[in-house]
Amino acid sequence: GNSVTQMEGPVTLSEEAFLTINCTYTATGYPSLFWYVQYPGEGLQLLLKATKADDKGSNKGFEATYRKETTSFHLEKGSVQVSDSAVYFCALSDRSTGNQFYFGTGTSLTVIP
Amino acid sequence: DTAVSQTPKYLVTQMGNDKSIKCEQNLGHDTMYWYKQDSKKFLKIMFSYNNKELIINETVPNRFSPKSPDKAHLNLHINSLELGDSAVYFCASSFTSGGEDTQYFGPGTRLTVL
Repeated sequence: GNSVTQMEGPVTLSEEAFLTINCTYTATGYPSLFWYVQYPGEGLQLLLKATKADDKGSNKGFEATYRKETTSFHLEKGSVQVSDSAVYFCALSDRSTGNQFYFGTGTSLTVIP
Repeated sequence: DTAVSQTPKYLVTQMGNDKSIKCEQNLGHDTMYWYKQDSKKFLKIMFSYNNKELIINETVPNRFSPKSPDKAHLNLHINSLELGDSAVYFCASSFTSGGEDTQYFGPGTRLTVL
């Protein structure tokens, strides 16, 4: 079946630190992979996505590469800011089941000045 | 120009009451979803409608009933509310054809059952 395993939080970093949030997946087909971000009190926003192996998604300084060989889609940012404090969700989309999404459990990030 | 909107944003009610949450999308998507997010931020898919037809119906108490009057709307009605229904409910929408499968989320409805 399909599932997403995400690094547990919470994660606390100092401003300008390097961020990695690990995400691995299992899938029966060829899924698309996503990172969503949820700021306090808001809905989920798409941060980046990748639709096939070796694709790199990037946005706002965040990057993630679709690694089929390791079934991973780790989120990275070279220098975090206080405004990056949020909950980050890794997800996969399975076209064979009507684009049903499978979400990870979310990782809470707090960046301190 | 809000893409996915939900009303109300906050809903406080007593146990046993019946309530509805409304969702509308103006993105022209053919599929809409309801998710429940618990206090630990875990997201659970509840329902999915494609062109007004139910396509995903996860294990959810039958007190929850979705209704889709048209492709742009998916409402959630909850009967006999219980304490455990307290959560944030998110509506989302997407295409299910043409290769564009990103889901777009509404701002959420925080339901508190007293």
